Amino acid sequence: DSGVTQTPKHLITATGQRVTLRCSPRSGDLSVYWYQQSLDQGLQFLIQYYNGEERAKGNILERFSAQQFPDLHSELNLSSLELGDSALYFCASSVDPRDGGFRNTIYFGEGSWLTVV
Amino acid sequence: GNSVTQMEGPVTLSEEAFLTINCTYTATGYPSLFWYVQYPGEGLQLLLKATKADDKGSNKGFEATYRKETTSFHLEKGSVQVSDSAVYFCALSTGSQGNLIFGKGTKLSVKP
Repeated sequence: DSGVTQTPKHLITATGQRVTLRCSPRSGDLSVYWYQQSLDQGLQFLIQYYNGEERAKGNILERFSAQQFPDLHSELNLSSLELGDSALYFCASSVDPRDGGFRNTIYFGEGSWLTVV
Repeated sequence: GNSVTQMEGPVTLSEEAFLTINCTYTATGYPSLFWYVQYPGEGLQLLLKATKADDKGSNKGFEATYRKETTSFHLEKGSVQVSDSAVYFCALSTGSQGNLIFGKGTKLSVKP
């Protein structure tokens, strides 16, 4: 158990719909990351938040957005869903990424399986 | 840009065989390097890491050495078990953000 909690574990929804994925980071971790894992694209970094503020952006579509709340939990919102958005979405967390943060271990949750039909 | 290249799978071995999964990277500066493992139906778990050149990361019988001269971080295990069957991802992290850049993953199947 990494200490990172994601809900829901599985989600099936129709094209055009909107879903929200939720993540609670490990206790004490200020940084939250979102990744998408699909068969064709592999593991893609979407976005990172640190203590409520956006820190880095990766290959995140404009239809997707995220935020980190004052209690440090994070939500990933996916809208106007397409079949190609079906994937496993991981949340991860780490301690303060500043000052050598790239040496810190990033801990992953078990992921949220999204199926768009 | 920064990238990770790892050997294509799948890799099928017999129990107690020697394992090598090759990983090379391209990065500006001096990244940290990681191996993550994903067991069937589970999330990603950190297997080992190295944060500077010549460091050796090790865990559960697996090891990998950070080779700056060859920009490599190959994963090795002397004797694999059926329970090692999983997908292995090589990754790097660089800069103040710390987000990971992953290779495509190598699926390992170990037969009894």
